Amino acid sequence: EAGVAQSPRYKIIEKRQSVAFWCNPISGHATLYWYQQILGQGPKLLIQFQNNGVVDDSQLPKDRFSAERLKGVDSTLKIQPAKLEDSAVYLCASSLESTGTQYFGPGTRLLVL
Amino acid sequence: AQTVTQSQPEMSVQEAETVTLSCTYDTSENNYYLFWYKQPPSRQMILVIRQEAYKQQNATENRFSVNFQKAAKSFSLKISDSQLGDTAMYFCAFMKHGTGGFKTIFGAGTRLFVKA
Repeated sequence: EAGVAQSPRYKIIEKRQSVAFWCNPISGHATLYWYQQILGQGPKLLIQFQNNGVVDDSQLPKDRFSAERLKGVDSTLKIQPAKLEDSAVYLCASSLESTGTQYFGPGTRLLVL
Repeated sequence: AQTVTQSQPEMSVQEAETVTLSCTYDTSENNYYLFWYKQPPSRQMILVIRQEAYKQQNATENRFSVNFQKAAKSFSLKISDSQLGDTAMYFCAFMKHGTGGFKTIFGAGTRLFVKA
């Protein structure tokens, strides 16, 4: 079974630029999560999708972050414009709704200069 | 609001010995799930073990077991016969079923070093 795929693995941008991350969840997983993990901290949930609908985006900085999940499969997370404090690893995870166990991708490491 | 506390930022253990990582949480929910995830230096998060709150029996997975104390809101992870490959960050996570689905909160993590 293929795992959660993410790209790119690394990204370096300057502040005020835009960046986008892509995630492909495990086939059949209805729930998709985006987390932000700042160095030395635990992951913080940014947004959770159930199929192609948003069920929780309470911690997403909506003035600069946006996310979508087209057709209930792949998802993209965008930051526009980026700030220095956005430097972090962005993790994507997916799960079957009924079990709640999350399977994580390798993450995208973002550095904002 | 739910919180998850891991009071040990770093721990070390000698290879083949046993180590226990602590986790406490705060919630008013009765039905929830608890997890321990491992994040090796390569950074891909891997599930170690999960516990359903309605189950009284502590979960075990090979060398990994938990001590789940629901009344005390404590969920510690015991690693027996520690191996060098156990060196990683360990995160305790709490998940509840809210409106629209499950909501997960992670602790700050414990960095475990296994020494040869």
